Amino acid sequence: DVKVTQSSRYLVKRTGEKVFLECVQDMDHENMFWYRQDPGLGLRLIYFSYDVKMKEKGDIPEGYSVSREKKERFSLILESASTNQTSMYLCASIGSGSGNEQFFGPGTRLTVL
Amino acid sequence: GENVEQHPSTLSVQEGDSAVIKCTYSDSASNYFPWYKQELGKGPQLIIDIRSNVGEKKDQRIAVTLNKTAKHFSLHITETQPEDSAVYFCAASTGGTSYGKLTFGQGTILTVHP
Repeated sequence: DVKVTQSSRYLVKRTGEKVFLECVQDMDHENMFWYRQDPGLGLRLIYFSYDVKMKEKGDIPEGYSVSREKKERFSLILESASTNQTSMYLCASIGSGSGNEQFFGPGTRLTVL
Repeated sequence: GENVEQHPSTLSVQEGDSAVIKCTYSDSASNYFPWYKQELGKGPQLIIDIRSNVGEKKDQRIAVTLNKTAKHFSLHITETQPEDSAVYFCAASTGGTSYGKLTFGQGTILTVHP
């Protein structure tokens, strides 16, 4: 059974802290994505990666960076957390030869105080 | 870039009724249109999808229709059940070299009352 896991379900951080959100997939997928989900705004793409060490900006990359050192792991980094980054963060992956379905993790609810 | 608009934002129906959620997209190059269901505390999960060479697709109680000329597509759920209560997202993709990127709509909170 396919699986995407995220390191934390809930996270509370202080303004200015550096925050790491981790995502791991066990499907050998090439492409991985980070979204944030806010009520009334749907899912908005922050960054995605189509290969190890490769990354592309999504629609709302400001204030975020990413790291992909291994194929199965994609990390989202908030260099200096701010209150407007309080949100639900979702990771997803898709294989280049496995159709178009994105598989999502359960999400991390981040609160920045 | 692509823009996807989804309506309504909330939908409340009685068990057994039908529910319809509509989406419009802006990029005429989009050719793949999935629908995701997100249950409480979980990530979104694909429930049905349609490609641009097909006008309608059904899977048991759910169906999706696509009008490429008008650039809109809809999700139809018949004989709704309480377990259909969730947030539904439509999305669009141009496929090809987009690496599977999806542009999502704003989401619809569907509540099915027993």
